Amino acid sequence: EVQLVESGGGLVQPGGSLRLSCAASGFTSSIYAMNWVRLAPGKGLEWVSYISGSGSTIHYADSVKGRFTISRDNAKNSLYLQINSLRAEDTALYYCAREVVFDFWGQGTLVTVSS
Amino acid sequence: QLVLTQSPSASASLGASVKLTCTLSSGHSNYAIAWHQQQPEKGPRYLMQVNTDGSHTKGDGIPDRFSGSSSGAERYLIISSLQSEDEADYYCLTWGAGIWVFGGGTKLTVL
Repeated sequence: EVQLVESGGGLVQPGGSLRLSCAASGFTSSIYAMNWVRLAPGKGLEWVSYISGSGSTIHYADSVKGRFTISRDNAKNSLYLQINSLRAEDTALYYCAREVVFDFWGQGTLVTVSS
Repeated sequence: QLVLTQSPSASASLGASVKLTCTLSSGHSNYAIAWHQQQPEKGPRYLMQVNTDGSHTKGDGIPDRFSGSSSGAERYLIISSLQSEDEADYYCLTWGAGIWVFGGGTKLTVL
């Protein structure tokens, strides 16, 4: 059974940093691309970042470029999102999702940016 | 610019059918899309990919009540025999040239 479990969210002050993790199980993660997606309060889903199975291809949404860094460790079946220079508008549930069509999703981890 | 447009809300009666629409922006009418469902307090769930020719590939365990079709720049999600658990937000997603774009979502109310 495919499972994706996010962790690492929390309350952080503006300008702070967090590292989100996504633990994958039930499939060989190295052959699948992965994504981060977020859902801000009262808003719709927003794609954040993509990484290919090998990690050689990476893309970011313009809204996070330069502040967020996606990475993966296939030996640990894990995906990461380093988020720096956090702003109030980054407050959201952050999900990891598999492949180009996002065929499996996690349950999300909540990031709250507030002083 | 790649944009997906969805109506903010839709409603239909229990047991009836509903057709949700996702419209691709000008110049992108040949793009495939994927439909996703988000029930209250749950993570999103992949429903299906809908291609330009209307063919669709459903996700694991998605009931036969869910189907997809296509016409020009419009992609559809059809839900028949509506059940209470179908009350949810429905998002379409497309991708190309290193970006992924969601529609604004349609909130479906089952009456």
